[in-house]
Amino acid sequence: KQEVTQIPAALSVPEGENLVLNCSFTDSAIYNLQWFRQDPGKGLTSLLLIQSSQREQTSGRLNASLDKSSGRSTLYIAASQPGDSATYLCAVMNSGYSTLTFGKGTMLLVSP
Amino acid sequence: GAGVSQSPSNKVTEKGKDVELRCDPISGHTALYWYRQSLGQGLEFLIYFQGNSAPDKSGLPSDRFSAERTGGSVSTLTIQRTQQEDSAVYLCASSLVAGGMAYEQYFGPGTRLTVT
Repeated sequence: KQEVTQIPAALSVPEGENLVLNCSFTDSAIYNLQWFRQDPGKGLTSLLLIQSSQREQTSGRLNASLDKSSGRSTLYIAASQPGDSATYLCAVMNSGYSTLTFGKGTMLLVSP
Repeated sequence: GAGVSQSPSNKVTEKGKDVELRCDPISGHTALYWYRQSLGQGLEFLIYFQGNSAPDKSGLPSDRFSAERTGGSVSTLTIQRTQQEDSAVYLCASSLVAGGMAYEQYFGPGTRLTVT
């Protein structure tokens, strides 16, 4: 059974810092990996999707990498802003295009 | 274009009653997913539709839970004889699955279910 772990569980940084969120998964036979953000009381917003054949994806200040063989992904946020404060979730899709298995998330607070 | 929509946004029901939750996916998305988010449990998968068929129902927690999808579009999640442990936010997502690839899942805002 796939298990996804995110470290750290919470992170507090001052505005302007670059930061890295970590995600690890136990079964490397994945189709893709997706990073989301969730604001309090809201749904999930997709940030980046990395297909299993890809090594990284970039969108603006965000960069996600995937090392399938070691079961790891990182989300790099450059020049953090208070508006980046949210919970960041990592999810992997295994066989059959069905289940996304989610980590518990990293709660990020960026203070001005 | 419009995103995934869900209704109602909030539902309070008494224990033992049946509830129906609705999801309208993004137009053209062939795949539709239901998830549940509970305090302390994180996000858990419930069921997956490809078109109108559900090849993966493995996440449904009991036979009180059922779901259907019609016309390759709208889906309804039904919970019969609700219990307090069913209280959670129910999230729906849709995506395009084509050419042997699964694309991004886009989530709706969720339905917050409270069973009293």
